[in-house]
Amino acid sequence: DQQVKQNSPSLSVQEGRISILNCDYTNSMFDYFLWYKKYPAEGPTFLISISSIKDKNEDGRFTVFLNKSAKHLSLHIVPSQPGDSAVYFCAASGIEKGQGFSFIFGKGTRLLVKP
Amino acid sequence: GAGVSQSPSNKVTEKGKDVELRCDPISGHTALYWYRQRLGQGLEFLIYFQGNSAPDKSGLPSDRFSAERTGESVSTLTIQRTQQEDSAVYLCASSVHVVSPLHFGNGTRLTVT
Repeated sequence: DQQVKQNSPSLSVQEGRISILNCDYTNSMFDYFLWYKKYPAEGPTFLISISSIKDKNEDGRFTVFLNKSAKHLSLHIVPSQPGDSAVYFCAASGIEKGQGFSFIFGKGTRLLVKP
Repeated sequence: GAGVSQSPSNKVTEKGKDVELRCDPISGHTALYWYRQRLGQGLEFLIYFQGNSAPDKSGLPSDRFSAERTGESVSTLTIQRTQQEDSAVYLCASSVHVVSPLHFGNGTRLTVT
């Protein structure tokens, strides 16, 4: 059973517009969330994080929103640029009873930004 | 500074052989993770090391998989008697401490023929 879900496998937007990438999680113990970008043949690159004590974190063109009651987070990219075309992963973690601190990743959303 | 380094970058092996994958984390990072990504899939957690604590092995898919880490340095992931379903990109990541972002290497692409 997937604990972190990215229900949209792909997304296409026009350059200059907003890209919104969504992520849902099921485990209420998750309290730290990350977004990564991945280009082919490279490892994922960290973009932005948010902890459960906040509902928004902004870094340049990237903003992450967290809705704890809905167990939902989203990544907004504005304005979108062709270089943003990549696969985006969300990840969640939390201290689970009896276990370590492991990050669970979604399956990713492929973003295509058209010039 | 240097990032996470993984070797080899590509490995082709015959079914039934053992393979060893290496990860050099960023210096000073106490936490080290192994993930794998099968074709068209997300990142699947395998194992996590934090300092001198017992590793979290909960993601290892079978007893053919094992990993070691020497102190806060190099880690090796060993797959014994490889199967075709082991074919994937194996990614290593490290972080300064548990509540900090992971920094990934470029992965080892393993192909079992």
